[in-house]
Amino acid sequence: EAGVAQSPRYKIIEKRQSVAFWCNPISGHATLYWYQQILGQGPKLLIQFQNNGVVDDSQLPKDRFSAERLKGVDSTLKIQPAKLEDSAVYLCASSSPEGGTDTQYFGPGTRLTVL
Amino acid sequence: SQQGEEDPQALSIQEGENATMNCSYKTSINNLQWYRQNSGRGLVHLILIRSNEREKHSGRLRVTLDTSKKSSSLLITASRAADTASYFCATAPADRGSTLGRLYFGRGTQLTVWP
Repeated sequence: EAGVAQSPRYKIIEKRQSVAFWCNPISGHATLYWYQQILGQGPKLLIQFQNNGVVDDSQLPKDRFSAERLKGVDSTLKIQPAKLEDSAVYLCASSSPEGGTDTQYFGPGTRLTVL
Repeated sequence: SQQGEEDPQALSIQEGENATMNCSYKTSINNLQWYRQNSGRGLVHLILIRSNEREKHSGRLRVTLDTSKKSSSLLITASRAADTASYFCATAPADRGSTLGRLYFGRGTQLTVWP
């Protein structure tokens, strides 16, 4: 079974530029999560999708961050414009309610550096 | 805050020794999970313990849960250099206001195992 795929793995941009991250979850997983992990901290949930609907985006800075999950499979997370404090690893995870647990499967992440 | 807090923040041991990490949390939970993160990689699920369980084993891992004290511990026996990683506890809240499937991660314990 293929895992969660993310691209790119690394991205360096200047402040005020835009950036987009892509995630392909495990096949059949209805729930998809985007996390932000700042160096030395644990992952912080940005947005949670159930199929192609948003179920929790309370921690998403909506003035600059946006995310979509068209067709309930792949997802993209965009930052526009980026700030220095957005430097972090952006993790995508997916889960399947059929498993009866909240176990999440993570991708390798995208390391963003904002200069 | 609903996130767990791991203790200690950093732990350094020799190969063959046991490593114990603790997690405390504040709200009622459905389950508590432990994840491992190697440097520069995504998180990997290790073990899940439900709120009605007190102890669980998986290979060299032993997890305990004390819901009265709102705490959990992860024991890694006979540690190896390959166990060097950050370990995070994640709680799945039981309150109705929380989104199903959402996890709250702590800041992690950095474990270093010396050969």
